[in-house]
Amino acid sequence: DSGVTQTPKHLITATGQRVTLRCSPRSGDLSVYWYQQSLDQGLQFLIQYYNGEERAKGNILERFSAQQFPDLHSELNLSSLELGDSALYFCASSPAGDTNYGYTFGSGTRLTVV
Amino acid sequence: GQSLEQPSEVTAVEGAIVQINCTYQTSGFYGLSWYQQHDGGAPTFLSYNALDGLEETGRFSSFLSRSDSYGYLLLQELQMKDSASYFCAVRGEVSGGSYIPTFGRGTSLIVHP
Repeated sequence: DSGVTQTPKHLITATGQRVTLRCSPRSGDLSVYWYQQSLDQGLQFLIQYYNGEERAKGNILERFSAQQFPDLHSELNLSSLELGDSALYFCASSPAGDTNYGYTFGSGTRLTVV
Repeated sequence: GQSLEQPSEVTAVEGAIVQINCTYQTSGFYGLSWYQQHDGGAPTFLSYNALDGLEETGRFSSFLSRSDSYGYLLLQELQMKDSASYFCAVRGEVSGGSYIPTFGRGTSLIVHP
């Protein structure tokens, strides 16, 4: 157990629907990062939150949004889902806004859009 | 922008030594990281190089040459459990002053008995 908790582990939904993925960072970590991993692809950075504020944005679609709450858990909202959104979505956390020592990843949410 | 190249697959036998290479192109460079990911599992941080040279952590070592925009991960005394995907990641600047890693596509390491 890495200390980063993601729910749900698996999600199957239809095109056009909206889903919410949840992440609780490791205790004491202030930053949360969201990544998307499609089949045979590397990890694509989506967005970072630090202590409740958006800190950095990557290749996140306009249909996707995220937030970090006062208790530091984060949610990634995916709307108007398309087949191509099927992927593993990982959340990672780190103690500060930046780190040399790598991120701690959760076990991911496998999203299947049918 | 940033791009990384690493081999898609490497095979080796148990007990051997294997090297996974990574070349990168980036507008800003603040370090090279390596992660291990077992099938469908969470990526796990292995090592980080900000300066040129070799960093050793047990059976794993990582090397960086900034002048060549090149690094590698060296795995010694291979074990079956080392079969996994290995990702290099360049730490570069993203908007807002954060230094977010950009990951390569990963190298699938297959260890044979």
